[in-house]
Amino acid sequence: ETGVTQSPTHLIKTRGQQVTLRCSSQSGHNTVSWYQQALGQGPQFIFQYYREEENGRGNFPPRFSGLQFPNYSSELNVNALELDDSALYLCASSTGTSGVAGGNEQFFGPGTRLTVL
Amino acid sequence: GNSVTQMEGPVTLSEEAFLTINCTYTATGYPSLFWYVQYPGEGLQLLLKATKADDKGSNKGFEATYRKETTSFHLEKGSVQVSDSAVYFCALSDPNSGTYKYIFGTGTRLKVLA
Repeated sequence: ETGVTQSPTHLIKTRGQQVTLRCSSQSGHNTVSWYQQALGQGPQFIFQYYREEENGRGNFPPRFSGLQFPNYSSELNVNALELDDSALYLCASSTGTSGVAGGNEQFFGPGTRLTVL
Repeated sequence: GNSVTQMEGPVTLSEEAFLTINCTYTATGYPSLFWYVQYPGEGLQLLLKATKADDKGSNKGFEATYRKETTSFHLEKGSVQVSDSAVYFCALSDPNSGTYKYIFGTGTRLKVLA
């Protein structure tokens, strides 16, 4: 069974540019959540995709957008990059939002470290 | 809103010392609770979890008990090793968000000295 994978591992961009990060979910999982982890902080929820539809969003501006494909892989797009977007971006997959009591366990990928100069 | 509060770090211990990292939460409903560990330069690894009150999660010598009466999920280990040095995150799965999104604490850095 393949776990959650993310690409690229590291990325350096300049302010104002656009970036796309990619995530392949674990086999059998139809839900992908994205988190931003700034240095020294806990991860913050960006949004979630369930069966190709956005299913919830955290407190992030519209320049953070996403996509989920029929194979349940996902992309996170960030436009007009700002210095504060420098962070580790984590993708997590799970089996669905209408899960068993107690909520679905999410399985995290290794992350993409984005540096904005 | 729902939230997780962890003790401030860093925590520095000698090898074989007893570890406690405090975690308390605020949530409506019945969240699942998790401890994750993050080694330098890496992503998050699930350490243990508990899905209902009085459940005890355990793994690799670490334990935590879901205490609904005190809204706590403290992480403990009887004898730490140098290899346990990492950042530990307490998290809850928000049952009322419709997404079961995770809400994380700010993390506690543990440093174990030989």
